[in-house]
Amino acid sequence: GESVGLHLPTLSVQEGDNSIINCAYSNSASDYFIWYKQESGKGPQFIIDIRSNMDKRQGQRVTVLLNKTVKHLSLQIAATQPGDSAVYFCAESWDTGRRALTFGSGTRLQVQP
Amino acid sequence: DTEVTQTPKHLVMGMTNKKSLKCEQHMGHRAMYWYKQKAKKPPELMFVYSYEKLSINESVPSRFSPECPNSSLLNLHLHALQPEDSALYLCASSQDGGDEQYFGPGTRLTVT
Repeated sequence: GESVGLHLPTLSVQEGDNSIINCAYSNSASDYFIWYKQESGKGPQFIIDIRSNMDKRQGQRVTVLLNKTVKHLSLQIAATQPGDSAVYFCAESWDTGRRALTFGSGTRLQVQP
Repeated sequence: DTEVTQTPKHLVMGMTNKKSLKCEQHMGHRAMYWYKQKAKKPPELMFVYSYEKLSINESVPSRFSPECPNSSLLNLHLHALQPEDSALYLCASSQDGGDEQYFGPGTRLTVT
């Protein structure tokens, strides 16, 4: 299943399935994108990042896809595990002489055993 | 050491109190950040320090006063807060401002 990460929706998947979390970013000048995982009561934890000169980057069990034409970012998690249950945020940044991250509204991922 | 530490973990303060939040990192990062996060919302940037100088203040009320005593430490001084300031306050650091930011666990602040 898919979910758009603009209204803190919830994505529910079965353990072992693949998850896809989507994010529509706002600024066409953004050149750096990052995904964070935040578990309850904890700070955001880095998952994977990508620069605008790439359209795909893979990590361990995770893949980030970037479509600059439609300003869309997605996070794919392979073989989702109960430990993946958390809120996932995308964030973007652009260079205006200063750099700061702007976060999307997040998606909650619930993994059913 | 890839850790950002924050103290205290929890803080309850009255509207007339003065308190401080502390953040520390030993990764040699030269950019440090304060974010505010309300429940079920994304982190919102408050302040950015770059090489111990304040580079960004996102129009934060003066009852929040940041301080960067050295490249490893970041404080947030609180005075005369309002109940609506209750939130999770997150500190982060990065090597070169805007690239991968490492977050601390946050301080859960409650203003009564």
